[in-house]
Amino acid sequence: DTGVSQDPRHKITKRGQNVTFRCDPISEHNRLYWYRQTLGQGPEFLTYFQNEAQLEKSRLLSDRFSAERPKGSFSTLEIQRTEQGDSAMYLCASSPGTSGRIEQYFGPGTRLTVT
Amino acid sequence: GEDVEQSLFLSVREGDSSVINCTYTDSSSTYLYWYKQEPGAGLQLLTYIFSNMDMKQDQRLTVLLNKKDKHLSLRIADTQTGDSAIYFCAVPDQKVTFGIGTKLQVIP
Repeated sequence: DTGVSQDPRHKITKRGQNVTFRCDPISEHNRLYWYRQTLGQGPEFLTYFQNEAQLEKSRLLSDRFSAERPKGSFSTLEIQRTEQGDSAMYLCASSPGTSGRIEQYFGPGTRLTVT
Repeated sequence: GEDVEQSLFLSVREGDSSVINCTYTDSSSTYLYWYKQEPGAGLQLLTYIFSNMDMKQDQRLTVLLNKKDKHLSLRIADTQTGDSAIYFCAVPDQKVTFGIGTKLQVIP
């Protein structure tokens, strides 16, 4: 396993369309995180999973956003009825989840452009 | 919630040392982290420091932690052009709060 992978790397969509992104974490990691990063900003936390359980959701995650991790392995992030303000880099990270150390290993990101 | 602050920009000459600073508000984190992001790429974990340490050295990288002042710094010795990137300080709670990032420009 070479690291966290994300698919697609780039997505261009028209406003109002739905999009879905996939993240495959490092296989032995049981925590998975989604972040959004806009130009000139640090990553903003969206949500995270401990195995298949979604433990926390940011207020940034509106009702149009939904994330799943059905088997505790890969995760999907869906955005419904996309808006131009959704244009950003969506980053996925995983971590071992052992107590204390929660360093995260990031994927390359999915860049979303809403036109 | 956690608040993490960093300066936006740092410019150094190749071969000089770079010092990137970060201040945070939450003092309960067991570890604090530095990440590096190159253009168009995800974040790469650079190093971390345990909260009961004052200093950690890792090759050209030195992390200093002043827990009383809630101040974290990253020193890069002999800065190279390949070190040009954005550097993020990260403070974990249940999630991880990132600073805005410091863009390091290395002038040849």
